[in-house]
Amino acid sequence: AQSVTQLDSHVSVSEGTPVLLRCNYSSSYSPSLFWYVQHPNKGLQLLLKYTSAATLVKGINGFEAEFKKSETSFHLTKPSAHMSDAAEYFCVVSFNTNAGKSTFGDGTTLTVKP
Amino acid sequence: SQTIHQWPATLVQPVGSPLSLECTVEGTSNPNLYWYRQAAGRGLQLLFYSVGIGQISSEVPQNLSASRPQDRQFILSSKKLLLSDSGFYLCAWSPPDRAYQPQHFGDGTRLSIL
Repeated sequence: AQSVTQLDSHVSVSEGTPVLLRCNYSSSYSPSLFWYVQHPNKGLQLLLKYTSAATLVKGINGFEAEFKKSETSFHLTKPSAHMSDAAEYFCVVSFNTNAGKSTFGDGTTLTVKP
Repeated sequence: SQTIHQWPATLVQPVGSPLSLECTVEGTSNPNLYWYRQAAGRGLQLLFYSVGIGQISSEVPQNLSASRPQDRQFILSSKKLLLSDSGFYLCAWSPPDRAYQPQHFGDGTRLSIL
């Protein structure tokens, strides 16, 4: 069975400091991994995706993530947080299963302090 | 390009009343379609998914049902709403017959049951 764990339910950073949101997955197969962002009362927006090409993936809004197979991790980072980054972030794993179903992490709430 | 529309954006309904939420996708054919529910401060729960017209798979036994009367239309329904049906409902689509692809979300419907 596949699973994804977001290690922090809440992360708080100061504006201008780095962001690290942690995600670990469990899989018997090579997965595809995604990070989404959700602002209040909005749908989920795709930040970036890993699909077995380069292990360092760059996304929108200055975010990037590194796939580490040996650690089964896909942590999301950003060098300098902006107030507009405050939101909920979801790590998602997709496997070669019927209908393209995905497994979602429980989410990490990012707070950015001025 | 592909777009996904959900409506209404917000809905307040009394207990015991019926429900119909609609989702349509443009710019693609035979997409995989999904309905999720997100309780306050929680992750996403997959309710239904569909790989084609008339093909509905239910993930969680509940008071809701889904239908896909047309290729790019996905409807979430209930005959009699319960208080526990309150939440944020999200529709999503992904490309057909292609593994490892991300899902793309609508802006959601905030459903409040009184």
